[in-house]
Amino acid sequence: GAGVSQSPRYKVAKRGQDVALRCDPISGHVSLFWYQQALGQGPEFLTYFQNEAQLDKSGLPSDRFFAERPEGSVSTLKIQRTQKEDSAVYLCASSVQGGGSPLHFGNGTRLTVT
Amino acid sequence: GESVGLHLPTLSVQEGDNSIINCAYSNSASDYFIWYKQESGKGPQFIIDIRSNMDKRQGQRVTVLLNKTVKHLSLQIAATQPGDSAVYFCAEKGGTGFQKLVFGTGTRLLVSP
Repeated sequence: GAGVSQSPRYKVAKRGQDVALRCDPISGHVSLFWYQQALGQGPEFLTYFQNEAQLDKSGLPSDRFFAERPEGSVSTLKIQRTQKEDSAVYLCASSVQGGGSPLHFGNGTRLTVT
Repeated sequence: GESVGLHLPTLSVQEGDNSIINCAYSNSASDYFIWYKQESGKGPQFIIDIRSNMDKRQGQRVTVLLNKTVKHLSLQIAATQPGDSAVYFCAEKGGTGFQKLVFGTGTRLLVSP
């Protein structure tokens, strides 16, 4: 079956531009997570959805970061006025339920801000 | 492709050896733990998980050991193969009511033929 799909695979943005990153979770997975991974680091939590409800956004680094999952399936992570420090791989993961079940990750979107 | 973990601790083994990767976790209330494998340019791939009411769990060629007394987790890979070369991360879930996984510092495993 299909895994978690993320697009685009690579994104180059000029500083100040807005970007939108898409995640298609595994069909039927209730929970969806966004993580940010800097080079040489482990993934860092950004935000968590259960169906369409955003239950935890404590990891979003600033109000320039915004995530949505309006119909409880596809999710979009939006970054406004990108800065160089936003350069990272953005990973999406889904799971059957919340904590206590494995997260299945996509291959990420590598964002480079120039 | 891009490289994951340029400055990570590295474990180098010969093909056929057994590998042990260690992880110290931080939260004594954590009740669920997972090991992930990450290859260059890919997302983390689930290997094996364990709940806090267990101290050992075995999969195919892999074993996870949990020592809650010292907050230590280990991943043992039997008969390591070149395809096992990757960065390995442990992750913990911080107890009831918490949903997110917190990832530890990864370990790069290099397997020589």
